[in-house]
Amino acid sequence: DTAVSQTPKYLVTQMGNDKSIKCEQNLGHDTMYWYKQDSKKFLKIMFSYNNKELIINETVPNRFSPKSPDKAHLNLHINSLELGDSAVYFCASSHSSGSYEQFFGPGTRLTVL
Amino acid sequence: QQQVKQSPQSLIVQKGGISIINCAYENTAFDYFPWYQQFPGKGPALLIAIRPDVSEKKEGRFTISFNKSAKQFSLHIMDSQPGDSATYFCAASPFSGGYNKLIFGAGTRLAVHP
Repeated sequence: DTAVSQTPKYLVTQMGNDKSIKCEQNLGHDTMYWYKQDSKKFLKIMFSYNNKELIINETVPNRFSPKSPDKAHLNLHINSLELGDSAVYFCASSHSSGSYEQFFGPGTRLTVL
Repeated sequence: QQQVKQSPQSLIVQKGGISIINCAYENTAFDYFPWYQQFPGKGPALLIAIRPDVSEKKEGRFTISFNKSAKQFSLHIMDSQPGDSATYFCAASPFSGGYNKLIFGAGTRLAVHP
């Protein structure tokens, strides 16, 4: 019954590797987001997709590439991982009409060694 | 430049006391002001939110006070309980075209002691 789910929950990898994080929502929402929470717990938006179209693209290195195969899924692919990419990544979703509320997933803790 | 400033960074309150967390924003285009609660190892969850057309909103023990002219808003937790111990984030966003770009404050770690 999970509303917004992410896989994996933990990801430990070496510098230079490429990795992906997957996100799925079963709320019927049409807008999805990726946020990064750093070691000081600061939350910052990275990307947002509405109906599979990119609508928010913050100042994020182009090593990060989101992909939305359909409205219910938003994946994040990261190339050439760096130490500074270590963080918790949260996926969220909302509906484009009605409530402004964003529902967050449980997060993926990425550790780059 | 931090668009949403939150204080204090941490807060210790006795059980039954009032917890108060303050936020200030700069962008007058912001028109949605939510508060999120985050427990360790979990994602943030919406606690309560306000639009600028009202000055106060109350839901149970949680109240948002909003001062549009001062560009400030605050969260009051009445009768604080140990189960309220969590990190609280204020946020703000303009709402445009069906999505909202949340700008978060730095967070307040609340500890409620029994």
